[in-house]
Amino acid sequence: DGGITQSPKYLFRKEGQNVTLSCEQNLNHDAMYWYRQDPGQGLRLIYYSQIVNDFQKGDIAEGYSVSREKKESFPLTVTSAQKNPTAFYLCASEGGSRTDTQYFGPGTRLTVL
Amino acid sequence: SQKIEQNSEALNIQEGKTATLTCNYTNYSPAYLQWYRQDPGRGPVFLLLIRENEKEKRKERLKVTFDTTLKQSLFHITASQPADSATYLCALDRHTGNQFYFGTGTSLTVIP
Repeated sequence: DGGITQSPKYLFRKEGQNVTLSCEQNLNHDAMYWYRQDPGQGLRLIYYSQIVNDFQKGDIAEGYSVSREKKESFPLTVTSAQKNPTAFYLCASEGGSRTDTQYFGPGTRLTVL
Repeated sequence: SQKIEQNSEALNIQEGKTATLTCNYTNYSPAYLQWYRQDPGRGPVFLLLIRENEKEKRKERLKVTFDTTLKQSLFHITASQPADSATYLCALDRHTGNQFYFGTGTSLTVIP
């Protein structure tokens, strides 16, 4: 069963804590992305990675960190420096061709208590 | 950067009618534009891609047009069904690698 998975589906965090969201894909895609979605706003790009061991900041990278040690995995850490972390987080992957589509995971809803 | 505007209000239509959603952009013309469907609490799912040199693309009951002069794409769902109710997002490439700008989406409700 090929695809992209995210875990957990729901995550609660206390203020001041770091938390890591998981994203795994078995599509053999080189590129992976993290987006944040807030009500009434479009998806905003946090970080992306075109290849293993390389990643780039997106439009709203402050307060977030990522790693890309394996092709199939792209975890996102929401740090305590992120002032408003409550949101729906979406991970996506894409094949090598520039015109390929993005395949999204089911998302993780993070709530800060 | 790129500013993308989709129908600001939710769209309600009667079953069997054609739904038309708009996507307007303000800056550079993208090399291609995509439409996605998103159901509540789930990730977007790709529907259609149209390139800058294409005027129209069809897939079953879906049709997308792309007018680079007007800087607009229209997304049509013909013979709409209640199962088509969802939020529809347009996405434009950024001309710099494989990243996209996403619109805020239009919520569509098809009334039986």
